[in-house]
Amino acid sequence: ETGVTQTPRHLVMGMTNKKSLKCEQHLGHNAMYWYKQSAKKPLELMFVYSLEERVENNSVPSRFSPECPNSSHLFLHLHTLQPEDSALYLCASSQESGGRLGEQFFGPGTRLTVL
Amino acid sequence: SQQGEEDPQALSIQEGENATMNCSYKTSINNLQWYRQNSGRGLVHLILIRSNEREKHSGRLRVTLDTSKKSSSLLITASRAADTASYFCATASTGGFKTIFGAGTRLFVKA
Repeated sequence: ETGVTQTPRHLVMGMTNKKSLKCEQHLGHNAMYWYKQSAKKPLELMFVYSLEERVENNSVPSRFSPECPNSSHLFLHLHTLQPEDSALYLCASSQESGGRLGEQFFGPGTRLTVL
Repeated sequence: SQQGEEDPQALSIQEGENATMNCSYKTSINNLQWYRQNSGRGLVHLILIRSNEREKHSGRLRVTLDTSKKSSSLLITASRAADTASYFCATASTGGFKTIFGAGTRLFVKA
C-alpha cells in the first residue's frame, strides 16, 4: 500500500464512451502525475500537476483531459478514445521542493481496454 | 530518444545469485532513481541517488552512479524468487517535473 489509490482498477469502454479515471493520494504531497504504460514501451509521462496547476503536458491528444481539483485528487477524463489508447494508466505523487524532484509513489494503475 | 535505457532487457538467474542491471542516460541529471514493478501493478520506489553521489546501499540493493559515463547500475545481492519483477531507472533533471523512465529490465529469479 503506497498511499496512492486509483479507481477503477479495470475499465472496458467503447470508442464513443466518456469515462473518468480517479486518483487519490493520502501522503500530503504537492505534485501528481499521470503516466501511460503500453506493452513493450517505456513509461510515458502524460501530465504533471504541481500545487494544483498543470506544469507539464507531454503533447497528449485532447481526448485525454486531466483535472486536479485539489492537491489530493487527480482525474483523467476520457472521451472518443482509440483502441491504441488501451494501456495501464498509472497515477503517482511526490513531494517537490526547490525544483528538486524526489521519489514518486505510484498507485496500482487502471487497466484500460478500448474496444 | 528516451533518456534512460536499461541493459539487459531480460535477465534470468537462480535464487541466491546476484543480479546486475545497468542504465545509461543522455543528459545532465539532478538524480537517478530505480523502481520495481510487479506484473501489471504500480511501480515501487527502491532507491534514489543524487548526481553528487557515487554509491548508495539499501538492504540487498547497491546502486552506483558514474556521471562521467552517464550510467548507473543496480545490484541485487542474494536474489530471491520474490525479486522477480521489472526494474526501471528514471532520471530527473533540475528545474523541471519530468522524470524520464527507461524501458526496464525484466528479472526472473528461479527458485
